[in-house]
Amino acid sequence: DSGVTQTPKHLITATGQRVTLRCSPRSGDLSVYWYQQSLDQGLQFLIQYYNGEERAKGNILERFSAQQFPDLHSELNLSSLELGDSALYFCASSVGYGLAGGTDTQYFGPGTRLTVL
Amino acid sequence: SQELEQSPQSLIVQEGKNLTINCTSSKTLYGLYWYKQKYGEGLIFLMMLQKGGEEKSHEKITAKLDEKKQQSSLHITASQPSHAGIYLCGADYFDSGGSNYKLTFGKGTLLTVNP
Repeated sequence: DSGVTQTPKHLITATGQRVTLRCSPRSGDLSVYWYQQSLDQGLQFLIQYYNGEERAKGNILERFSAQQFPDLHSELNLSSLELGDSALYFCASSVGYGLAGGTDTQYFGPGTRLTVL
Repeated sequence: SQELEQSPQSLIVQEGKNLTINCTSSKTLYGLYWYKQKYGEGLIFLMMLQKGGEEKSHEKITAKLDEKKQQSSLHITASQPSHAGIYLCGADYFDSGGSNYKLTFGKGTLLTVNP
């Protein structure tokens, strides 16, 4: 158990809908990262937050948005969903301000599997 | 073409054997990262390499970054069934101006270790 929790574990929804994925980082970790993993695209970095502020941006679509709250949990909002958004969405956390690849050790959650029908 | 290429795509070894996985970048990278993933599960961060020629170890797994910072190899000594999984490399890039950060990943190497 990495200490990073993600909810829900599975989500099935329809095209055009909007969903919110939630991530709670390990206690004491200030950085939260979001990744998307699909068979087509592989693993992609979406966005990183550090202590509530956006730290680095990756391949995040305009239909997607994220935020990190004062209690450090983070939410990833996906709207106008398309079939191609079906993927495993991972959240990770780390203590410091490191680069998104992992300048300080990252701990990954178990992921949320999103299926868009 | 893929910015970060991993080889081989898959590997089957007998328990106890040594193996190597390679990750090659099409350009000089800032940092190189190795992760392990059990199929359909979360990732485990293994290590980061940043300096040319740097070598790091994590249990029986050793990774090295070449001097030009364009290739890394991950070596497992005396493989065990617990080493089975998907190994992914990732790399940071900055543009020549030092901004425009990019993080990209290889497609992964599926390792099977037969007892």
